[in-house]
Amino acid sequence: KAGVTQTPRYLIKTRGQQVTLSCSPISGHRSVSWYQQTPGQGLQFLFEYFSETQRNKGNFPGRFSGRQFSNSRSEMNVSTLELGDSALYLCASSLSGVNTEAFFGQGTRLTVV
Amino acid sequence: QKEVEQDPGPLSVPEGAIVSLNCTYSNSAFQYFMWYRQYSRKGPELLMYTYSSGNKEDGRFTAQVDKSSKYISLFIRDSQPSDSATYLCAMSEQTSYDKVIFGPGTSLSVIP
Repeated sequence: KAGVTQTPRYLIKTRGQQVTLSCSPISGHRSVSWYQQTPGQGLQFLFEYFSETQRNKGNFPGRFSGRQFSNSRSEMNVSTLELGDSALYLCASSLSGVNTEAFFGQGTRLTVV
Repeated sequence: QKEVEQDPGPLSVPEGAIVSLNCTYSNSAFQYFMWYRQYSRKGPELLMYTYSSGNKEDGRFTAQVDKSSKYISLFIRDSQPSDSATYLCAMSEQTSYDKVIFGPGTSLSVIP
């Protein structure tokens, strides 16, 4: 059974640009959540989508947004990139959104220069 | 004071050693306690989770929760080089994603 797939694996962007990251969950999983991981702040929750609806949102500015498609694939968008947005962005999927049943992808390493 | 604190490490042990990884927390409402393992350049992998207090064992891994002391531990017996990774504790009041608080992680190296 294929795991959670995130694309691209690595990305370099310039300050002020925008970026879109993609996450394909495990087949049958309807919940996709996104996290930002940095050495200073650790792993922080961004938002969760379930059946195309944003169900929960963390404490991040409006520059961070996401969406989920009918096939449960999800995208995350960051506009007007800042140097501090450099991080590993992880998505996790689960059947129903229970955090103890989540499987993480390998992440997208975003570097903003 | 952060809501979840974790031994910073890095921790380096010889193969076969017993490893103890620890976290403390301040929110007495936490009920779900999780341990994740994260290899370099990979996403976290859920190792074990415990509901409320007590012990849970899975192979070489044992998770302990002491809610009275607000302290959780992960023990690894007969540690192997393949256990070398960063270990993250996480905890929440409920099972929804937005309620999970992660510790900063402890880096472990098991030397052959």
